[in-house]
Amino acid sequence: DTEVTQTPKHLVMGMTNKKSLKCEQHMGHRAMYWYKQKAKKPPELMFVYSYEKLSINESVPSRFSPECPNSSLLNLHLHALQPEDSALYLCASSQIYRSTDTQYFGPGTRLTVL
Amino acid sequence: QQPVQSPQAVILREGEDAVINCSSSKALYSVHWYRQKHGEAPVFLMILLKGGEQKGHEKISASFNEKKQQSSLYLTASQLSYSGTYFCGTVFQTGSARQLTFGSGTQLTVLP
Repeated sequence: DTEVTQTPKHLVMGMTNKKSLKCEQHMGHRAMYWYKQKAKKPPELMFVYSYEKLSINESVPSRFSPECPNSSLLNLHLHALQPEDSALYLCASSQIYRSTDTQYFGPGTRLTVL
Repeated sequence: QQPVQSPQAVILREGEDAVINCSSSKALYSVHWYRQKHGEAPVFLMILLKGGEQKGHEKISASFNEKKQQSSLYLTASQLSYSGTYFCGTVFQTGSARQLTFGSGTQLTVLP
């Protein structure tokens, strides 16, 4: 099973709201990723967790706050977002954080900020 | 630095062949190819490693020229199911860098 699940599928929020995106995998992977993808653009890396520790933060604004409660779960907490943050948010996982490892992507959460 | 993909878009008839190219200005350690259909997750196709090791998927093949820092994805006898946007993801040979940087994508449309 190479499935990464993400909830919710769609999310609409106002600029003052607080919401969370959830990602789950049961493949025993120890690296998990958050990507942001705008329409007709490639995915852009936001965060990398390796063995439940934050390894990479690609200069993401603090209104995005990642959390890795355990090796299977990854959350992205959202607060005071801007309309330009509207995008598809993809979660991915790989066996470990290594340049030769395949990343498996979830279906994404389509976020709209009003 | 984002790798450069070409062409940006290609339209084929079923059964025709296509080549998608990915080039980098920086030395590469590995190249990963993904296909993404509209509204869906990117799906892994293939990884090519420095040193020539190659892994494959379905009937699609690829090459990796380390000296030229280029990779090409070959789709032969294309099927309708091949339609989608193809991304190459590169890992650069810089220190301990391990993250993927995706190219801008190639939109492939296969018509009956």
